[in-house]
Amino acid sequence: AQTVTQSQPEMSVQEAETVTLSCTYDTSENNYYLFWYKQPPSRQMILVIRQEAYKQQNATENRFSVNFQKAAKSFSLKISDSQLGDTAMYFCAFILRDDKIIFGKGTRLHILP
Amino acid sequence: ETGVTQSPTHLIKTRGQQVTLRCSSQSGHNTVSWYQQALGQGPQFIFQYYREEENGRGNFPPRFSGLQFPNYSSELNVNALELDDSALYLCASSPGGLANNEQFFGPGTRLTVL
Repeated sequence: AQTVTQSQPEMSVQEAETVTLSCTYDTSENNYYLFWYKQPPSRQMILVIRQEAYKQQNATENRFSVNFQKAAKSFSLKISDSQLGDTAMYFCAFILRDDKIIFGKGTRLHILP
Repeated sequence: ETGVTQSPTHLIKTRGQQVTLRCSSQSGHNTVSWYQQALGQGPQFIFQYYREEENGRGNFPPRFSGLQFPNYSSELNVNALELDDSALYLCASSPGGLANNEQFFGPGTRLTVL
C-alpha cells in the first residue's frame, strides 16, 4: 500500500529561524513525484515544491528546499529564514503515474514573532 | 485570469440527503480533481476528470459521483449522506496530468451532515 507519514503533528519556531519538516513514504514503484503543499489558515492549498523521483538533485524554490533520500524513502522540507506568512499546515504528498495523489496527515507549523 | 472557485462555501445537510458541490476550473485547465479533507487530516483523493471523462478514482463508494462539463467545470454529487461525509471538499484544476502540471486548488466547500 502507498502511504505518506508525517511524524510531526505540530511545530513552532521563531521568525528568521530554519525549520525542517519530516516526511517518509512507502511505495514499491520506482517512478513517482513528490510534493509539499501549504494550506494557510484561509484554507486554499498551494504547491510549495515538487521533486521527480528520478532526479538526484534536490529541488529548491527560494527559501524552500528538500532533502530527498530515495533509498530511505524520505522527503523532508527545509524552510530557511522563516517568515510569519509561513504559518500554515504543510502536507507531503506523492503520485504515481495514475495521478492518484496521496497526502500525509500534515504538520501544523507556527512561526512566532 | 480567474482562479478555481467553488460553491457553496458552506452547506448543512441531514443524513440520507443528497448534495451537489460545484467547481469552476481555472481558464485553460481541462483536468479537475476532487478531494475530501476531514478535520485534522490530509486531503483524500476522490476522483479526477479529464475532458469530461472520469480519469481515476480513489477508495470512495459509488454514492460519490461526478461530472465534468464541456467548459471543464465540474460537480461532485454525494447521495445518501452519512455523518462521516462531514468534511471540507476541495477541487483542484490543472492543464493536464499531475506528473507534469501544477494543480491549483479552490477554497473548498465545508459540508456538515447532521
